[in-house]
Amino acid sequence: KAGVTQTPRYLIKTRGQQVTLSCSPISGHRSVSWYQQTPGQGLQFLFEYFSETQRNKGNFPGRFSGRQFSNSRSEMNVSTLELGDSALYLCASSSPGARGQYFGPGTRLTVT
Amino acid sequence: AQSVTQLGSHVSVSEGALVLLRCNYSSSVPPYLFWYVQYPNQGLQLLLKYTSAATLVKGINGFEAEFKKSETSFHLTKPSAHMSDAAEYFCAVSDEDNNNDMRFGAGTRLTVKP
Repeated sequence: KAGVTQTPRYLIKTRGQQVTLSCSPISGHRSVSWYQQTPGQGLQFLFEYFSETQRNKGNFPGRFSGRQFSNSRSEMNVSTLELGDSALYLCASSSPGARGQYFGPGTRLTVT
Repeated sequence: AQSVTQLGSHVSVSEGALVLLRCNYSSSVPPYLFWYVQYPNQGLQLLLKYTSAATLVKGINGFEAEFKKSETSFHLTKPSAHMSDAAEYFCAVSDEDNNNDMRFGAGTRLTVKP
């Protein structure tokens, strides 16, 4: 099976802009989670989608949002970008009975 | 709320030596515990998962971890380090199986010296 894919891999944006990141889960996985990884805060949970519904949400401002499509692909959007949003954004997918979450390679977002 | 603490942000061992990476958990319910590894410029790869079926969990690449309730620990070990083990290792916890709201530790960077 193909792994979790994320596009784009690298992105440079300017403060105040918005950005959309995409994640394609492993075939058959219906749960997609998003994490933010920074040197200062480490890995932080953003949100999880299951069957097109947000099931869990971390402690991030409303500028961070996401959605999931009927084919389980997910997108996350960050509006009004701030310098502190510069991070590696990781997507992970799983299914009931799976040993755990399977992570994609991440999208590295740089905000200037 | 559940959380994990990884003791030691950096660990350095010689090739062939024992690897011991420490993780302590804090959970109000029986936890599900994980170890992940991250190589440079890559995502996280699952090494192993504790689900209460057995206290000693064997993972990939020769790693294993032992769940000790009395010590609230879930330390990761490997008998003999390889150069290819150099990476960052994360311990994580969730309070339900298949609950993907996982809380990660700060990570431990493992260096392997020749």
